[in-house]
Amino acid sequence: DIVLTQSPDSLAVSLGERATLNCKSGRTVLSSANYKNHLAWYQQKPGQPPKLLIFWASTRASGVPERFSGSGSATDFTLTISSLQPEDVATYYCQQYYSTPTFGPGTKLQIK
Amino acid sequence: VQLVQSGAEVKKPGDSVKISCRASGNNLNVYTIGWVRQAGGQGPEWMARFHPQSETPRYAADFEDRVSMTRDKASGTSFLEVNRLTVADSGVYYCVGGPPIGWHEYWGQGTLVSVSS
Repeated sequence: DIVLTQSPDSLAVSLGERATLNCKSGRTVLSSANYKNHLAWYQQKPGQPPKLLIFWASTRASGVPERFSGSGSATDFTLTISSLQPEDVATYYCQQYYSTPTFGPGTKLQIK
Repeated sequence: VQLVQSGAEVKKPGDSVKISCRASGNNLNVYTIGWVRQAGGQGPEWMARFHPQSETPRYAADFEDRVSMTRDKASGTSFLEVNRLTVADSGVYYCVGGPPIGWHEYWGQGTLVSVSS
C-alpha cells in the first residue's frame, strides 16, 4: 500500500491569513497512463463525514470555494487556503487512488 | 446521490456485524459504492468497494479474510459484514460513492460500531 504522511499534525492560522497543508506520498501517484496525479483532499468537521474538496490533486469539487486550491505532483502535494475563514476549522485528509486507496493521518487546522 | 446507512451497533469480541447502505439519486449505475472506516481520532481507512460493472467486490488486503461486501441491485442497497470482531474494529463505518477512478464524492452519515466485552 502507498503510505501518505501529512504535515504539520496541527496548524493555527489567523483569520484572513494563508494556510498551507502538506501531503507526501511514499511512491509516485502520477499516472503514466493519463498524466494525472491520483490524489484527493477532504475536509472533516467534528461529528460529520469527510467532504471532498479536491481531486486530481488540483481540481476543486463542485461547490468548493475558490480559496481552496491544490498543487503538487508525483509525491509532494499541498492544499492551500488563501484566506482562512471561521468555517474552515476542521481536519484535512489527503487520499491517493493510484492503487488501493489510502488516506493520510490528517492535519488539524485551528484559528490562532 | 444520497447514501443512507443503518443504525449504530453494539457487539462483543468475536461477534459479526452487518451494516447497510441504501443509495438513491441519479446515475447510480455509473458510481462505485464502497466502505471506509474511521477509528476515533484517526484517518479514514478504505475497506471495500463494488465497481459498477463488476460482479465481485474488491477488498483492502488488511480486511479481505474477514470482511464481505454484498449488494442488492434492485433496491440499491449495499451491505458490509465484518466477522471475528475485536475492540480495534470499533469506529464509524462510512458508505462512500463516487466515480470508479477512486475518489469519494458522496458519503453516508456513518454507522457507529462499538465492540466491547
